[in-house]
Amino acid sequence: DAMVIQNPRYQVTQFGKPVTLSCSQTLNHNVMYWYQQKSSQAPKLLFHYYDKDFNNEADTPDNFQSRRPNTSFCFLDIRSPGLGDTAMYLCATSRETTQETQYFGPGTRLLVL
Amino acid sequence: RKEVEQDPGPFNVPEGATVAFNCTYSNSASQSFFWYRQDCRKEPKLLMSVYSSGNEDGRFTAQLNRASQYISLLIRDSKLSDSATYLCVVIWGSGTYKYIFGTGTRLKVLA
Repeated sequence: DAMVIQNPRYQVTQFGKPVTLSCSQTLNHNVMYWYQQKSSQAPKLLFHYYDKDFNNEADTPDNFQSRRPNTSFCFLDIRSPGLGDTAMYLCATSRETTQETQYFGPGTRLLVL
Repeated sequence: RKEVEQDPGPFNVPEGATVAFNCTYSNSASQSFFWYRQDCRKEPKLLMSVYSSGNEDGRFTAQLNRASQYISLLIRDSKLSDSATYLCVVIWGSGTYKYIFGTGTRLKVLA
């Protein structure tokens, strides 16, 4: 029944070692989002895809990239993780980029050592 | 001023108590509002939408005050299972709308 799935749930990586996080959805939603949430902070939007159109937030570091090879899957690539990138990474989906509910995956907890 | 502000808490209340949280927002053009619940180390889950007329879902009541630019969440007869962080979300934009999250208010319901 899981609608938004994220893998892995936990990831430990070394400083500077590239890492890829995965998100898949069974909702057939047009929009997929990636958020970063640090401890005791609000989720912060990194970017989103509307279908194949990529929309980056102005303050998202270049170190963060994303790919969406098809409707169901979206990946977050962190090219050279720093210690400050330790966080929970949340994937979310919605049908449209309007005022609709976003559905969140369980998140991937990333620890950079 | 932050776009969306919440008292981080924690609010420690006994079982059965009534507790209320507020969330203020800075953009008067904000159009939609939600309350999400987030358990420790879990993803946010939609609790309820907030309408101008107010809405109620069981023990939970949400209100919107556009004049003063805040939304509120009231929880009656608190249960231990209500312990969580409550995030308010404000949406504004044109064409592409943006979800703006508050940092959350932490609630602990004590036995």
